[in-house]
Amino acid sequence: AQTVTQSQPEMSVQEAETVTLSCTYDTSESDYYLFWYKQPPSRQMILVIRQEAYKQQNATENRFSVNFQKAAKSFSLKISDSQLGDAAMYFCAYRTPYRDNYGQNFVFGPGTRLSVLP
Amino acid sequence: DGGITQSPKYLFRKEGQNVTLSCEQNLNHDAMYWYRQDPGQGLRLIYYSQIVNDFQKGDIAEGYSVSREKKESFPLTVTSAQKNPTAFYLCASSMSEKLFFGSGTQLSVL
Repeated sequence: AQTVTQSQPEMSVQEAETVTLSCTYDTSESDYYLFWYKQPPSRQMILVIRQEAYKQQNATENRFSVNFQKAAKSFSLKISDSQLGDAAMYFCAYRTPYRDNYGQNFVFGPGTRLSVLP
Repeated sequence: DGGITQSPKYLFRKEGQNVTLSCEQNLNHDAMYWYRQDPGQGLRLIYYSQIVNDFQKGDIAEGYSVSREKKESFPLTVTSAQKNPTAFYLCASSMSEKLFFGSGTQLSVL
């Protein structure tokens, strides 16, 4: 079974600085998707960024970028120019490709709580 | 606007009572999911459904039940057999690779 590990329960960053959140996963599959979700105090889960495993190029969405190391099964999230609104729980998630047969296809890590200091 | 609507936002359960959490989506997604989130924890899968009239147990299905009579709706019942129901419940749906979430229901025990 696939597992997702986030080894940093809490992180903090100064406003305008850069922070990197770590995520590792375990899978025997070669084709899958990886995601970072943000959960602010409102508790609404918001998709931040996604990566397709067959693409070598790292995904980028404005100030958010990932470092995807497929061989190492590592998927870190870099937040540049951190803003107060970035303070939230961040969850790393793994998804297998869609299948016709049933199978649990999303697995979430335990989360990293990010604080942004003014 | 398309999205996932969960209701109520807050729900209180008395001991021995069954309660039902509503989840409706107008995104025309086939797959729907229920997750439980405890304070400071990640998401744990309760049930999921890939098509109407069929659903599968997740990791923590004991004490919960679901139905999927319509594509748009996937209600979750927390039964009296669930001895520790206090948690935040998130409904989600997906088509292709992305997962979209509702705004959640906080369930507490009186």
